Amino acid sequence: EAQVTQNPRYLITVTGKKLTVTCSQNMNHEYMSWYRQDPGLGLRQIYYSMNVEVTDKGDVPEGYKVSRKEKRNFPLILESPSPNQTSLYFCASSPWASGTRSYNEQFFGPGTRLTVL
Amino acid sequence: QQQVKQSPQSLIVQKGGISIINCAYENTAFDYFPWYQQFPGKGPALLIAIRPDVSEKKEGRFTISFNKSAKQFSLHIMDSQPGDSATYFCAASPNSGGSNYKLTFGKGTLLTVNP
Repeated sequence: EAQVTQNPRYLITVTGKKLTVTCSQNMNHEYMSWYRQDPGLGLRQIYYSMNVEVTDKGDVPEGYKVSRKEKRNFPLILESPSPNQTSLYFCASSPWASGTRSYNEQFFGPGTRLTVL
Repeated sequence: QQQVKQSPQSLIVQKGGISIINCAYENTAFDYFPWYQQFPGKGPALLIAIRPDVSEKKEGRFTISFNKSAKQFSLHIMDSQPGDSATYFCAASPNSGGSNYKLTFGKGTLLTVNP
């Protein structure tokens, strides 16, 4: 089954304890992205990656790191989590859109609910 | 600065009624306008999308209306069903090479369809 998987689905941690949320897709998509969803704020992009070893900041990158060493994986790293990073996180992937005015659907994972105490 | 403004924040509709969600944008570089549907406990999923070349796109009970001059677009759900109860997000993406992957989302509308 074509899908984006995230682990863990739920995580409660404490301030300052480094954590990694994994994201993996089995659709051979070039593009991957991380979003956070907060009540009343919608979905905001954290980081994205156009392909292996190519990553860039989204709208709210502070406090997060990412890496793209393999095409299928795009982990989100919180080196020193803080309570304001308590949120619902989504990973998404999309195939390459060749040429301008070419758009492709983004496929979202099931989400990771993170609580930082 | 919020680039895509979505309203209303929540909406309650009776079964069989019409649900209407509106979005407005400022950035004239936006060239692709999808709507995503999210059920509780799930990730968003693409529902329907439109480009400014056309003023309307219909897929089953779902229709996007697009007004380029007003920089507004809306989602209409005809004959709304309880199974349509979900959060709906409008989004926009620019036409700029690799940036056509960058989606800017509205804040979402929680739709409840009463039986």
